[in-house]
Amino acid sequence: QKEVEQDPGPLSVPEGAIVSLNCTYSNSAFQYFMWYRQYSRKGPELLMYTYSSGNKEDGRFTAQVDKSSKYISLFIRDSQPSDSATYLCAMIRSGNTGKLIFGQGTTLQVKP
Amino acid sequence: GAVVSQHPSRVICKSGTSVKIECRSLDFQATTMFWYRQFPKQSLMLMATSNEGSKATYEQGVEKDKFLINHASLTLSTLTVTSAHPEDSSFYICSASGLAGSGTDTQYFGPGTRLTVL
Repeated sequence: QKEVEQDPGPLSVPEGAIVSLNCTYSNSAFQYFMWYRQYSRKGPELLMYTYSSGNKEDGRFTAQVDKSSKYISLFIRDSQPSDSATYLCAMIRSGNTGKLIFGQGTTLQVKP
Repeated sequence: GAVVSQHPSRVICKSGTSVKIECRSLDFQATTMFWYRQFPKQSLMLMATSNEGSKATYEQGVEKDKFLINHASLTLSTLTVTSAHPEDSSFYICSASGLAGSGTDTQYFGPGTRLTVL
């Protein structure tokens, strides 16, 4: 079993839709949670960073962490064609400085 | 802020040659740099972690003599793929962390280097 599970998709939505991306994990030691966006043939770009449980909002993006369920989500409101990319969740264990554990990534396509 | 660059962005080489990839943090001092490899339609796989002035820590299954990492300064790390073979063809991505005052382990990624070994 992988430490971090993420549905690879692809996920296709119409422009303007609300997108929900999710990851589950098995290790309760994970404390830091990130979402990265990666365009084709480019490096990942940090979108959201959260520590422990709770919500964080930044513009059209909202990240949620539910540690009791070992489940994290990224919501994208008013999705745009430019949001079409692969979204990677990543997390770090408490006390394990720097070592990111990535999900497989979900490919999102927003159709105009 | 938090810009990481990589050079070259793309390299094609013959089998048996060595290739050096540079990773630079442009606007912050990176106490730690990471090297990842990504195969098509797969996630990033950590190869090694390097701290400035010390030897890199390699992940299990990564040959340290084949993938030489040098982290000579707080803004530069290099990855040298020695005696490259076609199976080494991949997308190599570095990241850096150590943003002053952040108090976090946030990593910022470079744009990646696509290596093709003929």
